[in-house]
Amino acid sequence: KAGVTQTPRYLIKTRGQQVTLSCSPISGHRSVSWYQQTPGQGLQFLFEYFSETQRNKGNFPGRFSGRQFSNSRSEMNVSTLELGDSALYLCASSPPGLAGGDTGELFFGEGSRLTVL
Amino acid sequence: AQRVTQPEKLLSVFKGAPVELKCNYSYSGSPELFWYVQYSRQRLQLLLRHISRESIKGFTADLNKGETSFHLKKPFAQEEDSAMYYCALYSYNTDKLIFGTGTRLQVFP
Repeated sequence: KAGVTQTPRYLIKTRGQQVTLSCSPISGHRSVSWYQQTPGQGLQFLFEYFSETQRNKGNFPGRFSGRQFSNSRSEMNVSTLELGDSALYLCASSPPGLAGGDTGELFFGEGSRLTVL
Repeated sequence: AQRVTQPEKLLSVFKGAPVELKCNYSYSGSPELFWYVQYSRQRLQLLLRHISRESIKGFTADLNKGETSFHLKKPFAQEEDSAMYYCALYSYNTDKLIFGTGTRLQVFP
């Protein structure tokens, strides 16, 4: 089974630009979560999508947005980039649990490393 | 509030020494806890979950509800254990996996 795939792996942007990151979950996984990883803050939850609906949202400004398509692929967008947005953005998918909900186990992609200059 | 605390940013030990990575949680309800590990240049992956009560790569973690802790332990550290370790709590209230800030384990030869 192919793992979670994220593209692009690396990208460099300048302040004020916007960026779109893509994530393809493991086949059969319907939940996709996004995290921002930085050395100082660790893993910060951005949002989670399930069946094309945003089910959860973290404490990030409205510049951070996302969506999920019918094939469970997800994208996240950051507009008006700031220097502090430089981070590794991780996508993770989750298998359905026995009762149809999530198991709590996440399968992570390798991440998209964003550098904002 | 639901929270996971990993008090140590860095833990350095020599090969063969015992290791304990601390994790404390705050959660009203029955917690479901995990340890995730990220080796250098590899993706973040699940190491173990408390409901499995298993030992993975020699690591164990016991849930202590009285102390609200889920410390990760290994009796004899190996150099290949050097990695970033994250403790995580699954909240059924919010359907969210909450991570601690992580502890970097360095095992010296």
